[in-house]
Amino acid sequence: NAGVTQTPKFQVLKTGQSMTLQCAQDMNHEYMSWYRQDPGMGLRLIHYSVGAGITDQGEVPNGYNVSRSTTEDFPLRLLSAAPSQTSVYFCASRGQGASGYTFGSGTRLTVV
Amino acid sequence: QQPVQSPQAVILREGEDAVINCSSSKALYSVHWYRQKHGEAPVFLMILLKGGEQKGHEKISASFNEKKQQSSLYLTASQLSYSGTYFCGTDPGSGNTGKLIFGQGTTLQVKP
Repeated sequence: NAGVTQTPKFQVLKTGQSMTLQCAQDMNHEYMSWYRQDPGMGLRLIHYSVGAGITDQGEVPNGYNVSRSTTEDFPLRLLSAAPSQTSVYFCASRGQGASGYTFGSGTRLTVV
Repeated sequence: QQPVQSPQAVILREGEDAVINCSSSKALYSVHWYRQKHGEAPVFLMILLKGGEQKGHEKISASFNEKKQQSSLYLTASQLSYSGTYFCGTDPGSGNTGKLIFGQGTTLQVKP
């Protein structure tokens, strides 16, 4: 099993550009989430999904879109990148019941 | 809505014990605990459910007081490998919403 795979690992964007961070899991997990982590800020929830076709907003959803067309994939789209979106982005998934999240290795995004 | 962790930082000598606390202003369905080492993704340690308690590791255990909306993580006879940042995550509400909000983290440093 590959677990949770995030691509790319590093990305530099110019202000105003758009891009999609990819996330895929091969564990047949129902729940998937996107977090951003800034120094001293911990992990903040951007969007999450409880199954294919179902998504909801987290703590900091502005400037991001998500969709969940399949169980495996949960891409995060930055609509118009801003320097404030410079961060490390983690995708995570878990199964139902008493299970914890498995995190991907992260995407380090810099917006200049 | 974000749970509050205390202390913010702990420095220990090998073999010493530590307690990290996590409290919420809302009723909780479950509490997760994760550890993150510098430059890596968070790793799941254990989950505690409303009405139950689960121990994830031999020398790392946790408790969940539903009435006080608090959880504590106990690290016994600490080892150098325990160093890192510990996060609690809470799933507020009356059911398994799939929404996990993290505290700001507690940095633990274990010295020889």
